[in-house]
Amino acid sequence: GAVVSQHPSWVICKSGTSVKIECRSLDFQATTMFWYRQFPKKSLMLMATSNEGSKATYEQGVEKDKFLINHASLTLSTLTVTSAHPEDSSFYICSGLDRGNSPLHFGNGTRLTVT
Amino acid sequence: SQKIEQNSEALNIQEGKTATLTCNYTNYSPAYLQWYRQDPGRGPVFLLLIRENEKEKRKERLKVTFDTTLKQSLFHITASQPADSATYLCAGRNSGNTPLVFGKGTRLSVIA
Repeated sequence: GAVVSQHPSWVICKSGTSVKIECRSLDFQATTMFWYRQFPKKSLMLMATSNEGSKATYEQGVEKDKFLINHASLTLSTLTVTSAHPEDSSFYICSGLDRGNSPLHFGNGTRLTVT
Repeated sequence: SQKIEQNSEALNIQEGKTATLTCNYTNYSPAYLQWYRQDPGRGPVFLLLIRENEKEKRKERLKVTFDTTLKQSLFHITASQPADSATYLCAGRNSGNTPLVFGKGTRLSVIA
């Protein structure tokens, strides 16, 4: 089945630094990628939708200057958390969409801890 | 706003029994519903998709129904096993590339 590789799986960083998370679709072309955030025992919260070669569409309340998303190719999207703060600590998950009505293929998530 | 509700946060059942998880939607009509399994610290894994014009879908021990009158989907695992213990997420989408709307999930524990 379709595989999405997400790296790193976990990262600890100091407050004020930036962290980049990579999401690659390994055996399909992800025309659209979605970035989610998940708090413990809560559902997935959509942060932004990105289409290859165009600017990401951010959900209400998500700061686009803080969470920079780049979808440079059909197989790679990145999320950069800039000037991270402890409240940015969370589980971030990416997913890729192959075709319009197909299911999402998720990465295994990145546990970010900001100290 | 569009909502997917999974009212049971947790469900405990005995091994061998059938687990039934409920998903209700409000304020929209999804073209299809999807069910995912999520293990702790991992991303969700797709299980089943059912379209609004389909009443039932099966895959091995899994069965999902879609009732547009009740605005509800039921997810069944027959002959449940401890390995089925996980959080199960229901998600709906209108069409095309619109984002999925996820429920909060139901944490299933199958007790041996």
